[in-house]
Amino acid sequence: GESVGLHLPTLSVQEGDNSIINCAYSNSASDYFIWYKQESGKGPQFIIDIRSNMDKRQGQRVTVLLNKTVKHLSLQIAATQPGDSAVYFCAATMAGGTSYGKLTFGQGTILTVHP
Amino acid sequence: DTGVSQDPRHKITKRGQNVTFRCDPISEHNRLYWYRQTLGQGPEFLTYFQNEAQLEKSRLLSDRFSAERPKGSFSTLEIQRTEQGDSAMYLCASSLSVVNTEAFFGQGTRLTVV
Repeated sequence: GESVGLHLPTLSVQEGDNSIINCAYSNSASDYFIWYKQESGKGPQFIIDIRSNMDKRQGQRVTVLLNKTVKHLSLQIAATQPGDSAVYFCAATMAGGTSYGKLTFGQGTILTVHP
Repeated sequence: DTGVSQDPRHKITKRGQNVTFRCDPISEHNRLYWYRQTLGQGPEFLTYFQNEAQLEKSRLLSDRFSAERPKGSFSTLEIQRTEQGDSAMYLCASSLSVVNTEAFFGQGTRLTVV
């Protein structure tokens, strides 16, 4: 089955620094990946996604890198701000079959940004 | 607010009681998912619907759990004879039935069984 794991449970950075959050997945059939941000007491909030036919995708202050060879993806946050403090999850799914959209989440990385 | 709405936000119940949660998805989304999240963990898939049809249920969904989406719009998740181990955040998400499209989550229902 699919499992998605994170290398580091916590990450502490200074405001203005760049942050990198890593994630490994086990199922090579996974072909769609999403990063979510979750603040305390709230549901996960979509940040950015990437399809398996891409190795990099950029958004506003965020970049996701996908390395299918080693089944690894990362989320880079530029100029991290205190408002970025939250738990970050990666999630994976497969586009094939009827189960597309059914997400497998990792444990999460707690990002703390110090002013 | 046109996002995913869940009700109630918090529920405290005594062990052995039944509870029901409601989820209203984004109106044009025909896929609806239920997840459960315990403290410090990522959400775990429970079940999902395509319109009114329940297409998949996780092994986590014991026979005390039942979910419905009778008209393909809102959904309910009922837990019968609650146990302390049911204490968790129950999250609902919805999406279009298109591959490689993101799911949008509601704020969740926090269940505490005492």
